[in-house]
Parts: sequence; C-alpha cells; structure tokens
Amino acid sequence: QSALTQPPSASGSPGQSVTISCTGTSSDIGGYNFVSWYQLHPGKAPKLIIFDVTKRPSGVPDRFSGSKSGNTASLTISGLQAEDEADYYCSSYAGTLTFGGGTKLTVL
Amino acid sequence: EVQLLESGGGFLQPGGSLRLSCAASGFTFNNYAMTWVRQPPGKGLEWVSSISGSGGSTFYADSVKGRFTVSRDKIKHTLFLEVISLRADDTAIYYCAKDVDFTVTTLLDNWGQGTLVTVSS
Repeated sequence: QSALTQPPSASGSPGQSVTISCTGTSSDIGGYNFVSWYQLHPGKAPKLIIFDVTKRPSGVPDRFSGSKSGNTASLTISGLQAEDEADYYCSSYAGTLTFGGGTKLTVL
Repeated sequence: EVQLLESGGGFLQPGGSLRLSCAASGFTFNNYAMTWVRQPPGKGLEWVSSISGSGGSTFYADSVKGRFTVSRDKIKHTLFLEVISLRADDTAIYYCAKDVDFTVTTLLDNWGQGTLVTVSS
C-alpha cells in the first residue's frame, strides 16, 4: 500500500483552529473506519490522539477531533496552544499499517 | 503506567547485525500484540513488523522481509527485533509500540521513545 498523503506543513496562531488532511484510497481510508492520528514531539514517545476516525483516547483534550469524507480523513485542532506544535501523522490500520508523510504544525 | 523502553541501537557497519530490545512494564505484556515502527532521519514513520500476543503470528513489511525477525520473551516481558545484513537505508529511530488487542490490529496506543540505529561505513 502507498503512503497516505498529508500536507508537509500547517500553521496557526494561538486560539485559532487548524485542520490537517490525510488522503488515501478506497482501499484504506475510504473503505474502513480504521484511521488514527499520532502526535510526535522531538525526542518523546509518539502519542495516539485519534483512533477509529473520530474517537479520542482517555486524556486527550477534546480540542482534538477527527473526521472523514470519502478517501480523506482530517484532524482538527481547535483553540491552538503552544504545546500543540509537533509533527502529526495519520495512519490507516485496515490491513497493512500505512502512515501519511507527516505534517509539521507550527504555532505562530 | 505503561512503559516501553527500547535499547540496542548504535552505530553499525553495512552488512552487520543487531538485536533491538523493548522492555515492557505497566501492563500485562502477554495479553497484547506488539509492533516495531521506524523513522529514518527527516522522514516519516514506516511500519516494520508486528507480533501477536502469543508470538505465534508475525508480520513484516516487504522492505525488511527476510532480514528482520521479531520475537518476544513471555517471562522477561521483552520484545525483540533481530536484524541481519544491515543496509544504509535501515538507518532510523526504531520505536516499539503496544497494540490495543491480543491479535495484531496495528492500532498502537502506547509507544516507546525509540532507539537510534545508524548504519554507515
């Protein structure tokens, strides 16, 4: 399976909302609700923030939300905070685990 | 608290071999599948290998099949990744991650901080 497509970068000011897209195909994102998002801070363990397209693990703020339309999944972060500056990766776990190329989020 | 601590990385020469370890604590290790994911410098995440909770089922990315072997120790609660015939493109941070289920789903709810493997002559 090919990697999922994400924009390489995104940015927003504190308090604003930002949406990161993740485009796949009907064989992965479009065909199943097995989409997750991970947050990576340099030197730290990656963190699961969204699974099954829209669900949040315990402890993840409700500022983080996920959605899907057709072959594209999206992660929306509302009320941006400085600590949200990180790399974000989408993944499809329908069959072979496939990741997007990652999006570097900058909080201005 | 779930803790995953990788070790075994370092600077190695092409053609060499290594064994990565991931010591697990804070959960019932034998009840969960485990996965290795790697991240080459400046690049994205790449799934490498997964193993079921029993160790009876293993899965590999095509790019590593035949050179990588995943295993687990039920007593020591440790996950392993053995690599032979190292290549420069194996250079990466290697993360171990816990699955949400006994069978391999590759939904990974806890990750370690990773261990860096550098392959260069």
